[in-house]
Amino acid sequence: GAVVSQHPSRVICKSGTSVKIECRSLDFQATTMFWYRQFPKQSLMLMATSNEGSKATYEQGVEKDKFLINHASLTLSTLTVTSAHPEDSSFYICSARDVQGNAGNTIYFGEGSWLTVV
Amino acid sequence: SQQGEEDPQALSIQEGENATMNCSYKTSINNLQWYRQNSGRGLVHLILIRSNEREKHSGRLRVTLDTSKKSSSLLITASRAADTASYFCATDQGAQKLVFGQGTRLTINP
Repeated sequence: GAVVSQHPSRVICKSGTSVKIECRSLDFQATTMFWYRQFPKQSLMLMATSNEGSKATYEQGVEKDKFLINHASLTLSTLTVTSAHPEDSSFYICSARDVQGNAGNTIYFGEGSWLTVV
Repeated sequence: SQQGEEDPQALSIQEGENATMNCSYKTSINNLQWYRQNSGRGLVHLILIRSNEREKHSGRLRVTLDTSKKSSSLLITASRAADTASYFCATDQGAQKLVFGQGTRLTINP
């Protein structure tokens, strides 16, 4: 079945540095991908909608200059956390919509990426 | 916040018993979906129920939807230890994005 891969699964970075997380759809094309953030024992909060070939749409309260999203191809979206701070430490999850799959408009989630900023 | 409420926040039952989780939401929806998340992992899609459906089954899962009350329930029958996880409802409100509930942490005791 369709798979969404995230990389890295875990990353530790120093405060003030930038970190890039990749989200790939492995056997389908995704014109739209979504990025979520999840703090421990909390729910998923949608950060932004990543659109292939155009600018991402950010949810209210999410700083677009801090969380840079690039959806350069139909199978890859990247989230870059710039000038990371300890409060950015979280679990980041992406999802991709397979509009051409048998189930139609099925959403698949990646395994998530743990970011720890020290 | 657009997020809905789920209750209970935590549920602990004995293996073999049934588990029921509830979800309420705030706006009109296209469909409602239930997901499972093991600790520190990604989400697994369990079941989708459309706004014009009232009940749906999949294996040991039974989902109901009451659009007049803006609520849904997930029933897991004959629970197993492997069902221990967090369960989230998510509403598809259009614009191709999901809004997740707060989740229920389910523990099945052997």
